[in-house]
Amino acid sequence: GAVVSQHPSWVICKSGTSVKIECRSLDFQATTMFWYRQFPKQSLMLMATSNEGSKATYEQGVEKDKFLINHASLTLSTLTVTSAHPEDSSFYICSAGGQNSGNTIYFGEGSWLTVV
Amino acid sequence: QKEVEQNSGPLSVPEGAIASLNCTYSDRGSQSFFWYRQYSGKSPELIMSIYSNGDQEDGRFTAQLNKASQYVSLLIRDSQPSDSATYLCAVGPGGFQKLVFGTGTRLLVSP
Repeated sequence: GAVVSQHPSWVICKSGTSVKIECRSLDFQATTMFWYRQFPKQSLMLMATSNEGSKATYEQGVEKDKFLINHASLTLSTLTVTSAHPEDSSFYICSAGGQNSGNTIYFGEGSWLTVV
Repeated sequence: QKEVEQNSGPLSVPEGAIASLNCTYSDRGSQSFFWYRQYSGKSPELIMSIYSNGDQEDGRFTAQLNKASQYVSLLIRDSQPSDSATYLCAVGPGGFQKLVFGTGTRLLVSP
């Protein structure tokens, strides 16, 4: 299947700082990328949908000024958690779909964020 | 509100048995259906996708779709301890529109 890569796999940051997570589609052009958050023992929660070259669409209850999403190219989307707090500690996962991904959405490896 | 329902489990089966995982969805307009496997602390991994009524087989896995009953299932034959994971059912309108995920069924395969 298609490959979606996330970086970093895990990150620890201090409360009040910002952290950026990258999501790359390695062998297809990702016209659409999705960002999820998952707390331990809970299901995936969709945060936002981003289409290349346009503003992200955020799900209800997700603060767009806190979780900045950029999808400037067909192979890269970034999620920036601004002014992170301990309650933002979670597993963040991106997924992507597009031409040559076989009409299927593939997930990145996920990024563990711990805010101390 | 579009919903995808799964029994949270755990579903316990002995090694070598058939595991049957079920999922129902509320949106009749759904066109794409997926099963993902998620190991603890890892990202979901695509197992099967199905788009039309009937069965679709891939190795030990068989996905079954019944759009009239709004029901999709996953059968795992010859279950192995390595199959122990949470299985997520996901439903979408087709194309690259966002998927709606169930909460997942935890499968435990005992040796």
